[in-house]
Amino acid sequence: KNQVEQSPQSLIILEGKNCTLQCNYTVSPFSNLRWYKQDTGRGPVSLTIMTFSENTKSNGRYTATLDADTKQSSLHITASQLSDSASYICVVSVTYNQGGKLIFGQGTELSVKP
Amino acid sequence: DTGVSQNPRHKITKRGQNVTFRCDPISEHNRLYWYRQTLGQGPEFLTYFQNEAQLEKSRLLSDRFSAERPKGSFSTLEIQRTEQGDSAMYLCASSFRPAGGADTQYFGPGTRLTVL
Repeated sequence: KNQVEQSPQSLIILEGKNCTLQCNYTVSPFSNLRWYKQDTGRGPVSLTIMTFSENTKSNGRYTATLDADTKQSSLHITASQLSDSASYICVVSVTYNQGGKLIFGQGTELSVKP
Repeated sequence: DTGVSQNPRHKITKRGQNVTFRCDPISEHNRLYWYRQTLGQGPEFLTYFQNEAQLEKSRLLSDRFSAERPKGSFSTLEIQRTEQGDSAMYLCASSFRPAGGADTQYFGPGTRLTVL
C-alpha cells in the first residue's frame, strides 16, 4: 500500500532555533518527493521537489534531503521565524502511464514561539 | 493574480442539498486535480484531468460526486445529496509537466464545506 508517514505529528520550538522534520514512505513507482508548507486555512505551497537522483535541495532556510534507498526524507529549517508556523506536508509522487498522483503525509504541525 | 482560484471560499449547506464548487487553474496548465482535506490530515486525492479528459478517479469519489472540465480550462466539482461526512476543505491544484521533468502542482486556497 502506498503510504507516507511523517514525524513528529507536532512540534513547538523557539524563534531562532533549528528543527528537522521526518518523512518515511512506501510508494511505488516513485517519481519524486516534495515538501509543502500549508498555512492554516490556505492551500499548500511547494517548498522543494526532489527526483530519485537528488539527495538534497535547498530553498532559503529550508533544506530537504532524500535517501531513496531507505525511503526517507527530512526537512531542516534553519533559524526559525514566527512565520514558519504552519503544517509541513511530505508528498510523494507516483507516476503511471497516463499521468500520476500525489500521496500526502498527514503533516507535521510546527509552532514557532517568540 | 494569476494563481489557482476557487469559488466559493466557504459553503455552508444543509444535509441532502447539492453543492457545486469551481476551480480556475493557471491558464497554461493542462493538468487539474481535486483533493479533499479534513482537519489534521493531509489532502486526499479525488480525481485528475489532463485537458478535458478525466483520467483517474479515487475510490473516495462516490457516485454522489462528479467532476467536469468541459473545455479543458475551469473545472467544477458537484456533490449531490450532501452528508455531514462531506464536510471538509476541497482543494484544487493545477500543473504543467515539462518534457522529461516533474510537474509542480500549484494549489488554490480551497473551498471549505460545512454540512449541517
